[in-house]
Amino acid sequence: DIQMTQSPSSLSASVGDRVTITCRASQDISSYLNWYQQKPGRAPKLLIYAASSLQSGVPSRFSASESGTDFTLTISSLQPEDFATYYCQQSYTTPLTFGGGTKVEIK
Amino acid sequence: QVQLQESGPGLVKPSQTLSLTCTVSGDSISSGNYFWSWIRQPAEKGLQWIGRIYTSGTTNYNPSLKSRVTISIDTSKNQFSLNVNSVTAADTAVYYCARGASSGWHHNLWGQGTLVTVSS
Repeated sequence: DIQMTQSPSSLSASVGDRVTITCRASQDISSYLNWYQQKPGRAPKLLIYAASSLQSGVPSRFSASESGTDFTLTISSLQPEDFATYYCQQSYTTPLTFGGGTKVEIK
Repeated sequence: QVQLQESGPGLVKPSQTLSLTCTVSGDSISSGNYFWSWIRQPAEKGLQWIGRIYTSGTTNYNPSLKSRVTISIDTSKNQFSLNVNSVTAADTAVYYCARGASSGWHHNLWGQGTLVTVSS
C-alpha cells in the first residue's frame, strides 16, 4: 500500500494567518493527490483534486502544489470556517489511502 | 442536486454481518463516468477506504478487508450496498458512501455517514 504521511498532525493558527499542510507519498503517485476538509460530525468535503485543481465552489484562498512525492495545501488567509481537519488522499492506485489528517485549531 | 444517503442497522452483534445501502437521488447511478465507494472512520481516527464498484459491476477492495467485504450495485434501485461479515468491535465506525470521478479518481460527493456499532 502507498503510505501518505501528513504533517503536522495539528496546528494552532489565528484568523488571517497563512497555513501550510504537507503530505508525503511513500512512492511516486504522479499528480493523483486530493485534499479534503472535514468538520466535526460532518462528511469530508473535496477541496483540491489532481494535486492542484480547485473543486468548484471552493474559495480561492485554498491552493495546492506538488514537488515530486511532496504535496502542499495552503490556506492564504485563514477564516473562522476553515477550522477543521484536513486529509490528503492518493488516488494513483488501489487501495486508495488517506493521510492521518491535520487538525487546524484556533489559537 | 445529487445526494447520497446511507441506511442500515446502527447496531450489529459480533461475528454477524454488517449490511449498509447507499441510495443515490437526483440522478441515475449509471450516468456519468463515476465509481461508488465505501469509506469508514472509527471515532477520533482517520479515514479508511473499504472498496468501490463501477456500474459495470467491477469491484476493487482494500486487501486489509477483502476477505470479509462485498460491494454490490442495483442500478434499477439507484443503490449500492456494502456487506462486511464476521464483524468485531474493530469494525465500529462511521461508514460513508461516496461518488468517485473516473477522471482523477477523487471522491467529489459524500453521504452524511452512518454510525455502526459492533456490540453484543
